[in-house]
Amino acid sequence: DSGVTQTPKHLITATGQRVTLRCSPRSGDLSVYWYQQSLDQGLQFLIQYYNGEERAKGNILERFSAQQFPDLHSELNLSSLELGDSALYFCASSVGWGDIQYFGAGTRLSVL
Amino acid sequence: GDSVTQMEGPVTLSEEAFLTINCTYTATGYPSLFWYVQYPGEGLQLLLKATKADDKGSNKGFEATYRKETTSFHLEKGSVQVSDSAVYFCAQDLTNTGNQFYFGTGTSLTVIP
Repeated sequence: DSGVTQTPKHLITATGQRVTLRCSPRSGDLSVYWYQQSLDQGLQFLIQYYNGEERAKGNILERFSAQQFPDLHSELNLSSLELGDSALYFCASSVGWGDIQYFGAGTRLSVL
Repeated sequence: GDSVTQMEGPVTLSEEAFLTINCTYTATGYPSLFWYVQYPGEGLQLLLKATKADDKGSNKGFEATYRKETTSFHLEKGSVQVSDSAVYFCAQDLTNTGNQFYFGTGTSLTVIP
């Protein structure tokens, strides 16, 4: 158990819908990272937050947004969903940046 | 641009064989380098890391050396076990410069008895 909790484990929704994925980092970790893992794109870094502020941005679509709350949990919002958004979404946390990341078990999103 | 390139898989080895998975990075500066492993149905776990040139990361019999001159961080293990079957990801961390965290495409390893 990495100590990083992601909910829900599975999500099935329809195209055009909006979903929210939630991540609780390990106790004491200030950084949260979001990744998308799909068969055709591999593992893609989406975004990183550190202590509530956006720290680094990767290949995150404009339809996607994230935030980190004062209690350090984070949410990834995916809107106007398309079939191609079906993927595993991982959250990871670390103490700071440049540190070891601990990954959650992921949320599997299926867009039908 | 910055990226990580790793050996394409899948790789199939017999138990006790020697393993090498190549990884090269392209980045200016001095990224931290990592190998992560993903066992079937699980999230990623850190396998080892190195933060500066000539550092050697090691864990569970796996080793990788940060080679600045060849921009490489190849993963090696002298004698693989069936339990090593997993997908291995090389990664470089440039977030300390406000840049991204880059993963390679992953190399699937299957070890047969």
